[in-house]
Amino acid sequence: KAGVTQTPRYLIKTRGQQVTLSCSPISGHRSVSWYQQTPGQGLQFLFEYFSETQRNKGNFPGRFSGRQFSNSRSEMNVSTLELGDSALYLCASLQGAYGYTFGSGTRLTVV
Amino acid sequence: QKEVEQNSGPLSVPEGAIASLNCTYSDRVSQSFFWYRQYSGKSPELIMSIYSNGDKEDGRFTAQLNKASQYVSLLIRDSQPSDSATYLCAGGGSSNTGKLIFGQGTTLQVKP
Repeated sequence: KAGVTQTPRYLIKTRGQQVTLSCSPISGHRSVSWYQQTPGQGLQFLFEYFSETQRNKGNFPGRFSGRQFSNSRSEMNVSTLELGDSALYLCASLQGAYGYTFGSGTRLTVV
Repeated sequence: QKEVEQNSGPLSVPEGAIASLNCTYSDRVSQSFFWYRQYSGKSPELIMSIYSNGDKEDGRFTAQLNKASQYVSLLIRDSQPSDSATYLCAGGGSSNTGKLIFGQGTTLQVKP
């Protein structure tokens, strides 16, 4: 079974631009969660989607948004990028009662 | 009080020793807990999940949960240099809908 696939692996963007990240969960999994990881704040929850509906949202500004498609693939978008948005963005697929499996992440650098 | 707290370390143990990693949590965290291992530059990898009071063993790893004390721990027996990594403790959010609340992580160094 393929794992959680995130694309792209690396991105460099300029302040003020917007970016879209993609995540494909483990086949058959309908829950996708997104996290931001920075050295200062650690891993922080962004939002979770289940069957195309956002079920839960973390404490991030409205510049951070997401969506989920009928095939469970999810995208997150960050608009008007700031330097502080530089981080590792991780997507997780819920593996039933066992727990959450993370993808390899997208490393975003804002310059 | 932070929702999930860990000592950032580093925790240094000799090869072959038992490494003990600890985590405390607040009332805002639900009763499902996970331990993740994260190597530098990599994404977190799930090691153990625990939902009930007591111990849960998987190979060299034992997770312990004490709900009365709001305390979760991970023991690594026969520690190997390859175990050197950051260990992240996570609890489910109160709504338990895809939200994990992470501690800051403990860096473990296993010295040959």
